[in-house]
Amino acid sequence: DTAVSQTPKYLVTQMGNDKSIKCEQNLGHDTMYWYKQDSKKFLKIMFSYNNKELIINETVPNRFSPKSPDKAHLNLHINSLELGDSAVYFCASSYPSGTGSYEQYFGPGTRLTVT
Amino acid sequence: GENVEQHPSTLSVQEGDSAVIKCTYSDSASNYFPWYKQELGKRPQLIIDIRSNVGEKKDQRIAVTLNKTAKHFSLHITETQPEDSAVYFCAASPVIGNQFYFGTGTSLTVIP
Repeated sequence: DTAVSQTPKYLVTQMGNDKSIKCEQNLGHDTMYWYKQDSKKFLKIMFSYNNKELIINETVPNRFSPKSPDKAHLNLHINSLELGDSAVYFCASSYPSGTGSYEQYFGPGTRLTVT
Repeated sequence: GENVEQHPSTLSVQEGDSAVIKCTYSDSASNYFPWYKQELGKRPQLIIDIRSNVGEKKDQRIAVTLNKTAKHFSLHITETQPEDSAVYFCAASPVIGNQFYFGTGTSLTVIP
């Protein structure tokens, strides 16, 4: 009965490779997010997405792209991986703005290590 | 965009004492302020939140205060216990996209 799940939990890959992280939520939420947590524990928003719009944080390189096959899934694709991409990536979900419910539920995280 | 500052970065207290963590934000449009607790190797989890039309909210040993004029909000934990040891993050959320902008985190250690 996991609310927000991510796969894989750990991902080790070499520079230059392309990889994907999958996220699924079974909460019936309409909005999903990706956050990056670096080695200093800073949590930074990368994207928010619902079935109407994608909002991209302006600091995110265009090597990162979210893809949503349906409203329960938001996958993160990363092209041409760099050493600086090593971090823990968290997926989260919530009801959209204006519904009165603001809490974001986080997945367990994916630790990406680029060598 | 929104900029959230959080202090202190580390905090050690004796069991039973109180802990206070403070945050400031820059965007006056922000209207929702959650606090998340992250234990080592775990996901962030919401512990308390406050909306901009409320000045204070309390849930057992945890309370949050908000001063919209000064753009700052604080987390108060009373009667701390060892299981309160974790990293605590404040966040601010403007309306658009419901995105959270997190502070830099406070590592709280409660010494038994």
